[in-house]
Amino acid sequence: RKEVEQDPGPFNVPEGATVAFNCTYSNSASQSFFWYRQDCRKEPKLLMSVYSSGNEDGRFTAQLNRASQYISLLIRDSKLSDSATYLCVVTTSGTYKYIFGTGTRLKVLA
Amino acid sequence: DAGVIQSPRHEVTEMGQEVTLRCKPISGHDYLFWYRQTMMRGLELLIYFNNNVPIDDSGMPEDRFSAKMPNASFSTLKIQPSEPRDSAVYFCASSSGLRIPYFGPGTRLLVL
Repeated sequence: RKEVEQDPGPFNVPEGATVAFNCTYSNSASQSFFWYRQDCRKEPKLLMSVYSSGNEDGRFTAQLNRASQYISLLIRDSKLSDSATYLCVVTTSGTYKYIFGTGTRLKVLA
Repeated sequence: DAGVIQSPRHEVTEMGQEVTLRCKPISGHDYLFWYRQTMMRGLELLIYFNNNVPIDDSGMPEDRFSAKMPNASFSTLKIQPSEPRDSAVYFCASSSGLRIPYFGPGTRLLVL
């Protein structure tokens, strides 16, 4: 079983739609969680951290469910520019090993 | 501010040749990571350094791969001899302490 698993997609949604992705992790000792965004043929860039109580950044909401060992990303009012691959990232306490999921592709359609 | 710098950006080589990838981390960052990304396996951590010292190289696939960090502003990832299955995008990333890593633009490697 992979340490971090994501549905590869693609998720094809119309502009203005709300879309949500989940990511599951296998290590219960995982401590920190992030969402990265990667555009085609570019490097991954941090989108947002995920806090235990959930957090919001504009149209983006991230949540953590430790009991079920998953994190989620919700995008409201999708824009064409949101089209990208979204990578879930997990780290374990006492290590700087950032474990990346394989990503979920999102295509926002006009 | 300059981000992480990688060179070359693209590399095409023939099987059996030596390949050297280079990275200059963000100034002041004390952690440096080498990742490999493929369609099948996603982004995999190969090795990371703290203050120029290799901390965890468990992700290095084989003895054909080696990485060095002779000083705080330079690191290399070497593949010798290269094989077609090494074709991938290789990313270098750096971070400061507990903060999240910032990635360089990557090196696209194609081994024929």
